[in-house]
Amino acid sequence: GAVVSQHPSWVICKSGTSVKIECRSLDFQATTMFWYRQFPKQSLMLMATSNEGSKATYEQGVEKDKFLINHASLTLSTLTVTSAHPEDSSFYICSAREVSGANVLTFGAGSRLTVL
Amino acid sequence: GDSVTQMEGPVTLSEEAFLTINCTYTATGYPSLFWYVQYPGEGLQLLLKATKADDKGSNKGFEATYRKETTSFHLEKGSVQVSDSAVYFCALGAFGNEKLTFGTGTRLTIIP
Repeated sequence: GAVVSQHPSWVICKSGTSVKIECRSLDFQATTMFWYRQFPKQSLMLMATSNEGSKATYEQGVEKDKFLINHASLTLSTLTVTSAHPEDSSFYICSAREVSGANVLTFGAGSRLTVL
Repeated sequence: GDSVTQMEGPVTLSEEAFLTINCTYTATGYPSLFWYVQYPGEGLQLLLKATKADDKGSNKGFEATYRKETTSFHLEKGSVQVSDSAVYFCALGAFGNEKLTFGTGTRLTIIP
């Protein structure tokens, strides 16, 4: 079946540095990928929709200059947390929809970011 | 806006016990409803779904019925197994729209 890989699965960084998280569709092509964020004991919150070859669409309240999204190919989307601060510590999850498939999303296992 | 309220966990049950995880929603229109499951170290997987009122989704012994009158989509299983230990997410989405609204997730632990 369809598989989405996220890397790294966990990362610790210093405040002020930038961190890149990759989301790859391993055996299918995805024109659209989604990035979510989850705080402890809270819902997954959709951050942005990543479209291959075009700018990402951000949800209300999400800083696009803080969370840079690039979807350069049909199998890769990246989320870069710029100038990270401790409040950016969270669990980030991506999902992808196959180009030719049914309306089913495949999710990555998530990436846990801890900013010191 | 749309929202999903899900039973808070964690939930711990003995093997072969009956499981209910409550989920209620608020939404405009007639959304599709989903249950996703996340096993340790893996991504969320679609467990079951229902696209209209009174539909029953089922998979792997789990069931949930789309109740429009009570705006609910409770997850049930008659006899749980240790392998069912995971985090379960209730979600809603407009038909044909991948933008899902999730609940907080419920961690389920089954003890032998």
